[in-house]
Amino acid sequence: GIQVEQSPPDLILQEGANSTLRCNFSDSVNNLQWFHQNPWGQLINLFYIPSGTKQNGRLSATTVATERYSLLYISSSQTTDSGVYFCAVITGANSKLTFGKGITLSVRP
Amino acid sequence: KAGVTQTPRYLIKTRGQQVTLSCSPISGHRSVSWYQQTPGQGLQFLFEYFSETQRNKGNFPGRFSGRQFSNSRSEMNVSTLELGDSALYLCASSIGQQLAKNIQYFGAGTRLSVL
Repeated sequence: GIQVEQSPPDLILQEGANSTLRCNFSDSVNNLQWFHQNPWGQLINLFYIPSGTKQNGRLSATTVATERYSLLYISSSQTTDSGVYFCAVITGANSKLTFGKGITLSVRP
Repeated sequence: KAGVTQTPRYLIKTRGQQVTLSCSPISGHRSVSWYQQTPGQGLQFLFEYFSETQRNKGNFPGRFSGRQFSNSRSEMNVSTLELGDSALYLCASSIGQQLAKNIQYFGAGTRLSVL
């Protein structure tokens, strides 16, 4: 099956700093989503981005499907950005989401 | 519009018991998927239902089962609980028939502890 690798596994930032989170995948994908898992466990949708670039406030994402990677950018980080960020992909029309292991982000005041 | 609702939020069971978890999708969504999250294995797919039919199943033993009702609500059942079944169980709903073309929205999860 498809492999999804996220890097770095852990990231510590000072409030106000910028960061880039990476997701590499081993096969072509039809669906790619970025999630933020809050402290209570809920996965919050950030982006649906199988290709191209999107922006939402301080967050933006780019997926280069031909090179099999996606990047999540966080600018001017805030303590509330702390948590685990997951990238997940689907390779078939009706198959499951395959998740990476996540990136744990800690933003210090 | 209400989000994906999972009940109960927390459960404590003992080994050998069985448990049923419930998921109500976003209104109008017809696909419901279930995932198990553990510290060791991460997020793993259990099964997916669309219009009351199981379309896809993950690599879990037969003790894990599910169903979907005509109103798209879904339940999953775990029989003969084992300590390793302790996990966060997450449900996701999606509006369309093709999962690849639609966003999946997750509920807050049910945290199951097996003692």
